[in-house]
Amino acid sequence: QVQLQESGPGLVKPSQTLSLTCTVSGGSISSGNYYWSWIRQPAGKGLEWIGHIYSSGSTNHNPSLKSRVTLSVDTSKNQFSLKLSSVTAADTAVYYCARVRVGTPTVAVDFWGQGTMVTVSS
Amino acid sequence: DIQMTQSPSSLSASVGDRVTITCQASQDISNYLNWYQQKPGKAPNLLIYDASNLETGVPSRFSGSGSGTDFTFTISSLQPEDIGTYYCQQYDNLPLTFGGGTKVEIK
Repeated sequence: QVQLQESGPGLVKPSQTLSLTCTVSGGSISSGNYYWSWIRQPAGKGLEWIGHIYSSGSTNHNPSLKSRVTLSVDTSKNQFSLKLSSVTAADTAVYYCARVRVGTPTVAVDFWGQGTMVTVSS
Repeated sequence: DIQMTQSPSSLSASVGDRVTITCQASQDISNYLNWYQQKPGKAPNLLIYDASNLETGVPSRFSGSGSGTDFTFTISSLQPEDIGTYYCQQYDNLPLTFGGGTKVEIK
């Protein structure tokens, strides 16, 4: 059973960079047809896809976040990471890392981390 | 971006009731749609993929149908453990987008 665990600071100052890491256990990040994704959810609101990365390092991200998103993967550590720059209060949310199963034609989020709350405040 | 509109935004039903949630896409997405359940304080959980396929381990009282722009999610007999918020999600185009959610409560 694949498990994902987010880690990183719970408090980030405005204009700084939010950095989170997701550690994957129970399976290799390099195996299978999967994207490794970040999704966030402001308190009491819906889900927003941030972006995803393949084990090769190819990425896609939500254009709504413009060029603030950087995704990376470390296959040797079975981890992938998110950096979101120039944060504001609007970036306050629960951040989930997740596995996206890719098939024909499926693109479904089949495993999620427990989520980590990140607050942007001075 | 493809907009996903869910209705209703919330509902209250009795145990054993049939519950139906709809999701409308802003453009044709074929059957490229998934449904998730999110219980309070927890991460979402995949229930239905490709509009109508039941994810492994998910009870058969959950089902999905539809294609194009109009989709339906049904709980055939509502159980107390089904309380939570349900989301549809399209994957026809990036960015992946989710519906606004439907909160299901027990009457």
